[in-house]
Amino acid sequence: DIQMTQSPSSLSASVGDRVTISCQASQDISNYLNWYQQKPGKAPKLLIYDASNLEIGVPSRFSGSGSGRDFTFTISSLQPEDIATYYCQQYDNLVPYTFGQGTKLDIK
Amino acid sequence: QVQLQQWGAGLLKPSETLSLTCAVYGGSFSGYYWSWIRQPPGKGLEWIGEINQSGSTNYSPSLRSRITISIDTSKNQFSLKVSSVTAADTAVYYCASSRGYSSSWYYRFDYWGQGSLVTVSS
Repeated sequence: DIQMTQSPSSLSASVGDRVTISCQASQDISNYLNWYQQKPGKAPKLLIYDASNLEIGVPSRFSGSGSGRDFTFTISSLQPEDIATYYCQQYDNLVPYTFGQGTKLDIK
Repeated sequence: QVQLQQWGAGLLKPSETLSLTCAVYGGSFSGYYWSWIRQPPGKGLEWIGEINQSGSTNYSPSLRSRITISIDTSKNQFSLKVSSVTAADTAVYYCASSRGYSSSWYYRFDYWGQGSLVTVSS
């Protein structure tokens, strides 16, 4: 299985800050990577698909980049409602789909 | 707009069989693959398996021996069974769409159920 490693595992930032989360795959996965946001007690929500495409309805302050093994998720200006845990997920070779361990983001 | 609603028993004893069902409303039921994903308390997400309208399944290698995913296209529903559960199977279980088709296949979990907490305890 392809392993996904996110860093950091937790992060504190101030409103308005630029926030960056990294995700590294154990092998080359091209751009076969998605990003999700999960708020407490809720199902995850798709934010970014195919590494850099913004899902419809998702604010433009969210973005994704990268290819191969290294990927980045960015919030350009952190808002209070962005407090959540963020997960990357790969689908190279299709199944099994695997997720990163998550990055918990809170307000400083 | 596609909506998923799931249900099933929330409290099981060790060695029992977990059973959950997910109903799909709206959209094209046949145009997707349907997955189950779980999340142990305080931990990350683990993909369990998926099924398509033809009943073709893919399972996580780590769970394959205990999992059955089935589909009822007449009701737009799909189901998960996990046999011989232990405390390690305690988790919130989600149903979700895992693949869709729009001129070509795409791969992402874009529709999710509300989640079902399943607790295994003697």
